[in-house]
Amino acid sequence: SQKIEQNSEALNIQEGKTATLTCNYTNYSPAYLQWYRQDPGRGPVFLLLIRENEKEKRKERLKVTFDTTLKQSLFHITASQPADSATYLCALDERSQGNLIFGKGTKLSVKP
Amino acid sequence: KAGVTQTPRYLIKTRGQQVTLSCSPISGHRSVSWYQQTPGQGLQFLFEYFSETQRNKGNFPGRFSGRQFSNSRSEMNVSTLELGDSALYLCASSLVPGGGGETQYFGPGTRLLVL
Repeated sequence: SQKIEQNSEALNIQEGKTATLTCNYTNYSPAYLQWYRQDPGRGPVFLLLIRENEKEKRKERLKVTFDTTLKQSLFHITASQPADSATYLCALDERSQGNLIFGKGTKLSVKP
Repeated sequence: KAGVTQTPRYLIKTRGQQVTLSCSPISGHRSVSWYQQTPGQGLQFLFEYFSETQRNKGNFPGRFSGRQFSNSRSEMNVSTLELGDSALYLCASSLVPGGGGETQYFGPGTRLLVL
């Protein structure tokens, strides 16, 4: 069956550390993978997109990797801040479906 | 540019009633997608509209329907409401339909509570 899983529901880290979030999928062939941030009571906000032929993408303190062999994406936030506390969602852009397929998200809490 | 707007923001209904939710996309965006978000199931795709045509549909019963108008505004309707329909309903717009790496811009959602 097709699955998309984000490794943990919640992740607690100390300010200044690097947060690493994992997204694994099975029986999908995404051409793209996207990461979104969602704050309580708000809709998701786009952060980064990575293509299947890209290994890594960076934007300021954010870094995304995409390994189509392992069927895994890693999302890193370096020098994390309390303002980074939110739920982070990965989403597959699956060729055959034409719509985004979302993981359930990881709730990140950055403590001062 | 104004973002995606959704009305109403909050709604309380009782079982058996029907509800209509509205979404206005970002100006110039012709694709509108709807999602249901619950704590247990996460974000689940309902349907996508492009140029007034339903292009794609998720695995939801026929009680869930939608439409898109010529100005790209979209509505979704849920008939015969069930307790399990309580959720945050999110609308997202993009320039062109999904499947091609398009970024989706989400609205704030409509929180529906079915009693």
